Amino acid sequence: SQQGEEDPQALSIQEGENATMNCSYKTSINNLQWYRQNSGRGLVHLILIRSNEREKHSGRLRVTLDTSKKSSSLLITASRAADTASYFCATPLGYQKVTFGTGTKLQVIP
Amino acid sequence: DTEVTQTPKHLVMGMTNKKSLKCEQHMGHRAMYWYKQKAKKPPELMFVYSYEKLSINESVPSRFSPECPNSSLLNLHLHALQPEDSALYLCASSQEYSGSEAFFGQGTRLTVV
Repeated sequence: SQQGEEDPQALSIQEGENATMNCSYKTSINNLQWYRQNSGRGLVHLILIRSNEREKHSGRLRVTLDTSKKSSSLLITASRAADTASYFCATPLGYQKVTFGTGTKLQVIP
Repeated sequence: DTEVTQTPKHLVMGMTNKKSLKCEQHMGHRAMYWYKQKAKKPPELMFVYSYEKLSINESVPSRFSPECPNSSLLNLHLHALQPEDSALYLCASSQEYSGSEAFFGQGTRLTVV
């Protein structure tokens, strides 16, 4: 079963602009992760935020988590062409299972 | 070494063939996963191995048969597949807990003809 839905489904921006994508989920969680997937390749872990954290930064990435609204956002600042990829949020479904959101496909135009 | 290595990268097989996908990691992770990903969809969990034992099978058809020979290796044996099984198959590993960062291989692009 799928827990997370992301919006927008697709996003096209110019290089240097910021990109924001959102993830909504259904059940209570104790952490949320974001992953990036370049076209047809494996996923790369970007950041993990725990339920007691509201905001976390990693380089040009900023993630927020609002557990009352069951939502998270990923902001990529000063985007680059190399950021072109699909981005997925991932939430735990039990001790060993993680389920991925529907994904946002980001295109950064040089 | 933070790599998960999957072989082969591409595989074309007929519906009567038997083939295997292989995955290897040397990070000491005790949880290993198989995911299936169709085009423009998120990865879907198929199997989880924990300490070399199958702990989760997401009601996957028996034509997919996982195997974990040791703590570093994970195989997926394929037999009598259907064209709709064509997809990207991803292997991943992590510490056991679902709140741990997962490391993914580059995937095997499988085409069933």
